[in-house]
Amino acid sequence: EAQVTQNPRYLITVTGKKLTVTCSQNMNHEYMSWYRQDPGLGLRQIYYSMNVEVTDKGDVPEGYKVSRKEKRNFPLILESPSPNQTSLYFCASRPRGGFLATNEKLFFGSGTQLSVL
Amino acid sequence: QQPVQSPQAVILREGEDAVINCSSSKALYSVHWYRQKHGEAPVFLMILLKGGEQKGHEKISASFNEKKQQSSLYLTASQLSYSGTYFCGTVTGTASKLTFGTGTRLQVTL
Repeated sequence: EAQVTQNPRYLITVTGKKLTVTCSQNMNHEYMSWYRQDPGLGLRQIYYSMNVEVTDKGDVPEGYKVSRKEKRNFPLILESPSPNQTSLYFCASRPRGGFLATNEKLFFGSGTQLSVL
Repeated sequence: QQPVQSPQAVILREGEDAVINCSSSKALYSVHWYRQKHGEAPVFLMILLKGGEQKGHEKISASFNEKKQQSSLYLTASQLSYSGTYFCGTVTGTASKLTFGTGTRLQVTL
């Protein structure tokens, strides 16, 4: 089944303890992206990747890192989490990167609810 | 810059119609519409392209007004299953970024 898989689904951690949220897609998609969702603010893009080894900042990249060593995986790293990073996180992918690919739909993972105490 | 959605929330009785608007301050290339049930991932509804026609999905359709830099989502004869939060996402200029609005919460009651 074609899907975007995120893990974990729920995560509670403490301030400063490094964590990684994994994202994997089995559709051979070039483009992958991370969003955070907060009440009243909608979905805001953190980082995106047009292809392997190509990543770029979204609208709210501070405090996050990403890497794209393989096409299928796009982990989100919080090196020193803080309470303001408590949020619902979504990974998404689409077949291609680039401007003309913006008419392709995004496939979303199930989300990761992160709480930083 | 995020597109502006209106209204922020709407409550309907089953069978009633609703319109959700999405406005951009920049010239639009395309508009995406997604629906999200509480605690779940957003689900794709449709994409409208500049110069394209009005699209439809079941009893949900949308239009794209290039001059007003706006898209509208029309929900006809609403069903309980239509409840959720609706997001528009816009692509402007030549950027390959999709920027989402803050969402419209729709609740359909009996």
